[in-house]
Amino acid sequence: NAGVTQTPKFRVLKTGQSMTLLCAQDMNHEYMYWYRQDPGMGLRLIHYSVGEGTTAKGEVPDGYNVSRLKKQNFLLGLESAAPSQTSVYFCASSYFGQRNYEQYFGPGTRLTVT
Amino acid sequence: GQQVMQIPQYQHVQEGEDFTTYCNSSTTLSNIQWYKQRPGGHPVFLIQLVKSGEVKKQKRLTFQFGEAKKNSSLHITATQTTDVGTYFCAGRSGETSGSRLTFGEGTQLTVNP
Repeated sequence: NAGVTQTPKFRVLKTGQSMTLLCAQDMNHEYMYWYRQDPGMGLRLIHYSVGEGTTAKGEVPDGYNVSRLKKQNFLLGLESAAPSQTSVYFCASSYFGQRNYEQYFGPGTRLTVT
Repeated sequence: GQQVMQIPQYQHVQEGEDFTTYCNSSTTLSNIQWYKQRPGGHPVFLIQLVKSGEVKKQKRLTFQFGEAKKNSSLHITATQTTDVGTYFCAGRSGETSGSRLTFGEGTQLTVNP
């Protein structure tokens, strides 16, 4: 049981390049999330998904796209990277229920855009 | 939109001293969660509070949810070096399937041995 995994762990991009971050979970969770973490700003939600085939915008969606073609995977895409997207990206997943909304986080991807 | 503010941003303590971080929401919350992130690591869930005025304890950690469900606190008694990390509160303002967590900025705790 690996929990939540993220690929890659580190990446350096040049401005204008594109890339896809992959998140996978093996807990059969319905909900999945992408956050970015910047110093002094906590975790900000980029996009999220409440089930296979569905996605929704979070707090800071501009410049990112997502897809959830399979329940266990959630992809985050940057079509044209900008230096402002330099950040640590965390994926998380959670079970949906009346009582338990605990989120499980992956190890993160450190992205630098030069 | 909903805002969750957390203070202080940084706290340095000597080992054995107590530590408290405070979380305030601009809206009434349905529940609040606390997470801990060790340096270089990822956030890990600590606890969830749901009821007005709720108090929960985990060994040296005490979590409180305000009567108005708009604020919360985490208190650590007699800190240890293993408590080092950033503590985040995260509030949820709705019960529907679309409701999301809004994270505070976090309080970074350092403990001098």
